[in-house]
Order: sequence, then C-alpha cells, then structure tokens
Amino acid sequence: GAVVSQHPSWVICKSGTSVKIECRSLDFQATTMFWYRQFPKKSLMLMATSNEGSKATYEQGVEKDKFLINHASLTLSTLTVTSAHPEDSSFYICSAIGQLSSYEQYFGPGTRLTVT
Amino acid sequence: QKEVEQNSGPLSVPEGAIASLNCTYSDRGSQSFFWYRQYSGKSPELIMSIYSNGDKEDGRFTAQLNKASQYVSLLIRDSQPSDSATYLCAVHWANNLFFGTGTRLTVIP
Repeated sequence: GAVVSQHPSWVICKSGTSVKIECRSLDFQATTMFWYRQFPKKSLMLMATSNEGSKATYEQGVEKDKFLINHASLTLSTLTVTSAHPEDSSFYICSAIGQLSSYEQYFGPGTRLTVT
Repeated sequence: QKEVEQNSGPLSVPEGAIASLNCTYSDRGSQSFFWYRQYSGKSPELIMSIYSNGDKEDGRFTAQLNKASQYVSLLIRDSQPSDSATYLCAVHWANNLFFGTGTRLTVIP
C-alpha cells in the first residue's frame, strides 16, 4: 500500500516553455501532498504543501507564479513549471500523506527535468 | 528554526558489519521521527518510523530515539552492499517533515 506515482519520470524542455508534472496517490486518499526539489548531491528542499481543494502554501523563496500547484482531488496534485529556465533543471519529487497516518510521507519516484 | 543534523559521511563499513547512522534535531516538541533511504537518482523510501523513546527493530534495522538528548539513530546489522545509499533523517513538526542533509553509506564487499 501507500504507492505514489509521478508522470513523467523525466522530461526535457526548451527554455521559456512550461512543463506539467503529475503526482498521484494510487491506493489511498492523500489529504496533503508535498512538492520537493533536489539538486545533485543536495538534500531535499520543500517547495510547497498542498491540500485538496485549497491553495498551496509555498516555502519562502519559492515563486508561486512560476511553480503553479493544483490539488484538484484527493488523489492528484500537479506542479507546473512556467517559463522554465535552465536553472530550473532539477529532480522534482512529490510526497503524500494519507487519511490514516498524518505523519508518514510516501514519496513518488520523482521527475527529472532538464531545461535546455 | 527547525534543524536536523547528520554527519554527511561518507561512512564506509565492510559487508556483514553494523552501520551506525546518527541524527540530532533542534525542536524539543518534535514527536515523530523517520529514516528514509535514497539510492542515487531515486526518490526517498521510508524504512523506519519511531515515535517513542527506546529502540524499534524491523529486520536488520533498529531505530533508537532519545528525546531528552534530541537524538535519533539507525543501526543496520549485517550490512549488505545493497544497503549502500544515502540515509535521510526526518523529523515531523507542524505537518511538515524537516530533513537532514543525509549520510552517505558505502558497504564494501
């Protein structure tokens, strides 16, 4: 149980374009989903927290207009990187917590974004 | 400021030995603690959770928690080359997880 998927697993896009990443909880309803970014050999950095049906809460320094998060249902959250630039190239990972446990976060497999 | 500190390593142990990973945290109010394993290029995988003082064992893994000392550790017995990864300590507070920078473990065959 507690499986989280992400799509796509990797994507290459041109500078200035937008990219959407999907995060799905496959076998549980996720009350809260989190979006992280990880640069090579660095630790996870929380970008934002999203609850179903409400606006996401962004961490300090994360531009909400650039990283659009939509949490339309209890099983799906999307992150859209708008007007991507090479410095946005990173490993984006979502996680989710379910209704049964409010503490344990289960991570998706991650999406590797390369902006050329 | 919530801080979670780990020795970044690398920590090298021979196959079959015990690997000991340590973590300290700054917030005395934290109640939930987790260890994640992350292989290179992959996302973190939850391997242990611990909520109360003492030891918690799961197979070859033992988590130890000492809230008075604000210290949590992970012991891996009979280390295998497949245990080579980065181990992330995470502390739960206010619906968020605060991660340490991770300790890179290498198990030498």
